[in-house]
Amino acid sequence: QVNLLQSGAALVKPGASVKLSCKASGYPFSDYYIHWVKQSHGKSLEWIGSIFPNSAYTKYNENFKNKATLTVDKSTNTAYMDLSRMTSEDSATYYCSRCGYYYSGFPCYFDFWGQGVMVTVSP
Amino acid sequence: DVQMTQSPSYLAASPGESVSISCKASKSISNNLAWYQEKPGKTNKLLIHSGSTLQSGTPSRFSGGGSGTDFTLTIRSLEFEDFAVYYCQQYNEYPPTFGAGTKLELK
Repeated sequence: QVNLLQSGAALVKPGASVKLSCKASGYPFSDYYIHWVKQSHGKSLEWIGSIFPNSAYTKYNENFKNKATLTVDKSTNTAYMDLSRMTSEDSATYYCSRCGYYYSGFPCYFDFWGQGVMVTVSP
Repeated sequence: DVQMTQSPSYLAASPGESVSISCKASKSISNNLAWYQEKPGKTNKLLIHSGSTLQSGTPSRFSGGGSGTDFTLTIRSLEFEDFAVYYCQQYNEYPPTFGAGTKLELK
């Protein structure tokens, strides 16, 4: 069965960076876009960007272009998101999810989600 | 960006009742709308996509309707497991955007 397993919670100092991981299993990793979504405490969901593991092609929300960098390691079926220059505004839960369409770069719904990772920015 | 306005924010109901949640898009999104369920300790669950297509595993008491700008999620004969937070999401254009969520609480 499809599973997206995310790394554990992170405590980050202001100005530092953090790298989050999302290990996929149960399906051909290279063939489905992985998307990342932010959920600030008690708030709704905000799309950060996506990556196609087959080619490492990325697409970003303009609001996160200078904040997030998406990469993949096909040898381990893992997607990564680097968040840079962290501030209190970046404290949130971050989710990875799989596009519900095979091989599609169009906007899509998300048929499987990771469990989310809470990132806290604090001195 | 397409703004998704979801209402109500909170909804109190009892098992056996039926409820509806509204989601309105700031421009036409055809039928490119999905509904998700969020529960503590569980991964987000896709319930419905394409406005009205039930995802595999979604109970038939859930239904979705609408197209263009107005959409509705209806849950008939509520069961205890349905008390959760529900989000709509448009995927008609980038960036995908979500509604603010509806918390369905036990009355």
